[in-house]
Amino acid sequence: ETGVTQTPRHLVMGMTNKKSLKCEQHLGHNAMYWYKQSAKKPLELMFVYNFKEQTENNSVPSRFSPECPNSSHLFLHLHTLQPEDSALYLCASSHGLAGGFTDTQYFGPGTRLTVL
Amino acid sequence: GNSVTQMEGPVTLSEEAFLTINCTYTATGYPSLFWYVQYPGEGLQLLLKATKADDKGSNKGFEATYRKETTSFHLEKGSVQVSDSAVYFCALRKGTDYKLSFGAGTTVTVRA
Repeated sequence: ETGVTQTPRHLVMGMTNKKSLKCEQHLGHNAMYWYKQSAKKPLELMFVYNFKEQTENNSVPSRFSPECPNSSHLFLHLHTLQPEDSALYLCASSHGLAGGFTDTQYFGPGTRLTVL
Repeated sequence: GNSVTQMEGPVTLSEEAFLTINCTYTATGYPSLFWYVQYPGEGLQLLLKATKADDKGSNKGFEATYRKETTSFHLEKGSVQVSDSAVYFCALRKGTDYKLSFGAGTTVTVRA
């Protein structure tokens, strides 16, 4: 399997549920990202990890908890979400964070989350 | 700050028509420029990129040229197919910063 994969592709959860989104990259990259894509809003960067260390938390509410056990895997743990958190959650990876030619971000297919 | 402005959609075309999606940017220095495409129900896929002035990115029949004098990176395709129906996002990345600034996206629908 190649590229960036995300599971599940679709998730419906109640506001009291706890669930996790998983991202895996097979590109040998060191940096991983979580984005939120809501209808009619620009893509929002949520978290960034580089070599398993969090380098960015873009003022994300604590009901979203990221975890990066290694450079290939990234999780987003969800707890007591609100209906307005319903969105497409996209994972991306890049070789690094230096912004050079090789640091293009590659995206996964996303998890469509619906919070009831 | 850095920003990207795309032409508003939606854009509806007939098959084999010429497609242009305008993208202009605001940034200091020399950003890298990207076009991403999102097919229905999917995530973003990198379509093409350019890292310096006058570079032309191309892929799948799409082209875009980095024009510093007009701060533009317009996307073009000479003959679209139904399978090109998607949302197209222009994005920039400034210098050594890893953060991408995305445009709002342009929805393109190609009819047979």
